[in-house]
Amino acid sequence: SQQGEEDPQALSIQEGENATMNCSYKTSINNLQWYRQNSGRGLVHLILIRSNEREKHSGRLRVTLDTSKKSSSLLITASRAADTASYFCATESGGDSSYKLIFGSGTRLLVRP
Amino acid sequence: NAGVMQNPRHLVRRRGQEARLRCSPMKGHSHVYWYRQLPEEGLKFMVYLQKENIIDESGMPKERFSAEFPKEGPSILRIQQVVRGDSAAYFCASSPPGSDEQYFGPGTRLTVT
Repeated sequence: SQQGEEDPQALSIQEGENATMNCSYKTSINNLQWYRQNSGRGLVHLILIRSNEREKHSGRLRVTLDTSKKSSSLLITASRAADTASYFCATESGGDSSYKLIFGSGTRLLVRP
Repeated sequence: NAGVMQNPRHLVRRRGQEARLRCSPMKGHSHVYWYRQLPEEGLKFMVYLQKENIIDESGMPKERFSAEFPKEGPSILRIQQVVRGDSAAYFCASSPPGSDEQYFGPGTRLTVT
């Protein structure tokens, strides 16, 4: 299976609620990145967390990384209808192929107004 | 500073035709990456290029696909004799030397009829 796997595959919440998405990976990494993709559009880079970091914040986003469990979570607080999108984690491994981002299959988030 | 530019945004080709996808990296970025996204899936790495050099094409199908990044002009992803299975969104990303952040373009959606 893929390096990055998101969980759940789909999530539907009410506006104002928090949304939590999880990502698991298999091999050691340099960093892990989260991206958002609106339907039929390109990717927007949300946040990058390095392997020596445990938590990072950006606005309403909070990302955690647990390298011992090889997992990361993305929390979106006080969700808005505009947060409706697919969210992907992507890992960058070390070594000679460190540039090669490996994406999971994504979590489709629906925020109901 | 304009972002990564890709054109065309949408491309329709009949089976057997050629598809040429263009990517202009951000100013100052000399590294280009191509990814493919099949429907309902995450992005898959195809190829990594620097000016006039293919660094890693391990994700490219062995036949019909080629990529280049000439000294002048955009990077080109070329698909010869397209088949229905080539229908996908093709994303280009760029990064400056020494950076591990990739900036994605809006993608080209290829439909093979």
